[in-house]
Amino acid sequence: DGGITQSPKYLFRKEGQNVTLSCEQNLNHDAMYWYRQDPGQGLRLIYYSQIVNDFQKGDIAEGYSVSREKKESFPLTVTSAQKNPTAFYLCASSMDWGGSGREQFFGPGTRLTVL
Amino acid sequence: AQKITQTQPGMFVQEKEAVTLDCTYDTSDQSYGLFWYKQPSSGEMIFLIYQGSYDEQNATEGRYSLNFQKARKSANLVISASQLGDSAMYFCAMREGQNQGGKLIFGQGTELSVKP
Repeated sequence: DGGITQSPKYLFRKEGQNVTLSCEQNLNHDAMYWYRQDPGQGLRLIYYSQIVNDFQKGDIAEGYSVSREKKESFPLTVTSAQKNPTAFYLCASSMDWGGSGREQFFGPGTRLTVL
Repeated sequence: AQKITQTQPGMFVQEKEAVTLDCTYDTSDQSYGLFWYKQPSSGEMIFLIYQGSYDEQNATEGRYSLNFQKARKSANLVISASQLGDSAMYFCAMREGQNQGGKLIFGQGTELSVKP
């Protein structure tokens, strides 16, 4: 089945540690996205990638980094510079960057807790 | 600046009845797209319906329809014949302008509870 996988489902981190969240898609989509969701809030865009080997900052990129070396993979690193990293992280992909009606397909999410 | 507003933090509906979830948006672009997503307690976001700013007819997908009133900048989601499985968070989102591509802006969400 085609879809998006995220791992791990739950992640615990000590303060000062960097952690990497995995996102893999087998939908052959060009565009991929990372969102952060805080309790009772909507999603906010962290980073996005229109195509392999390219990525751009979203609205809340500080303290995060990404790479896009392969079309199917878009890992997110939460660095120690992120002051409040405890949140639910969602990865998404869409067929391409432009065009109308290009809905994004989401993975199951990773819940990160800083101890 | 672009913005999505969902004014109903929580809604209750009786099973088999219809319910309307409100969404208003703010944009200066003529070309934009509006999306509704469902988020059950598991956390995954499920795409429900899409409305383009130039679409003349309201979008429909099964039990979901979008009441698009362009002049009022509203894009309300109507769920007909509610089911217990419809209990979830619902998010309205907007893609603004052709140059913004896939970037989506989300509202705060509405938590829908369906009563048996």
